[in-house]
Amino acid sequence: DTEVTQTPKHLVMGMTNKKSLKCEQHMGHRAMYWYKQKAKKPPELMFVYSYEKLSINESVPSRFSPECPNSSLLNLHLHALQPEDSALYLCASSQDGTSGLETQYFGPGTRLLVL
Amino acid sequence: AQSVTQLDSQVPVFEEAPVELRCNYSSSVSVYLFWYVQYPNQGLQLLLKYLSGSTLVKGINGFEAEFNKSQTSFHLRKPSVHISDTAEYFCAVTQPDSWGKLQFGAGTQVVVTP
Repeated sequence: DTEVTQTPKHLVMGMTNKKSLKCEQHMGHRAMYWYKQKAKKPPELMFVYSYEKLSINESVPSRFSPECPNSSLLNLHLHALQPEDSALYLCASSQDGTSGLETQYFGPGTRLLVL
Repeated sequence: AQSVTQLDSQVPVFEEAPVELRCNYSSSVSVYLFWYVQYPNQGLQLLLKYLSGSTLVKGINGFEAEFNKSQTSFHLRKPSVHISDTAEYFCAVTQPDSWGKLQFGAGTQVVVTP
């Protein structure tokens, strides 16, 4: 099974709402990633977890809060977002994230609209 | 620092014609190179990757790419495209011990028409 699942598929939220995005994989991978992708642009890395520890935070605003409860699950908690945060949020996983040669397996994404 | 340049933002191609997507990179150290494809309303899927060894890399769906160190290029080719190859294609680069930090190019939109 090489599938990464993400829920929900679509999310509409107001600027005062709190919501969470969820990602799950059952490939035994120990690294998980969050990316943000704006329309017609490449994905931009936000966070990397390796062995349930945050290894990379690409200077993401604190209104985005990642959480890795275990090696199979990754959450992204959203609070007080801005309209410019509207984007496709992609989750990915790879073997352990410690080297650059690993293949990252991507989920289908959550399309977020902030009103 | 590393960077990736995809020279073509959009490539129109007729069905059963060949296609080449260009990718150039810059880096002061050795790199690993990837091509990912993103079909409409989907996540990214790996087509192929170059880590070391043979410079000609074969991937899924009939795609192949050639690593050229002297020209710092990693162009993607397919000899005969299908309508289903319509998608966005991203070239990406990482370095050893980079904690999986992929640097993507801007992407090339391939539109296949009958």
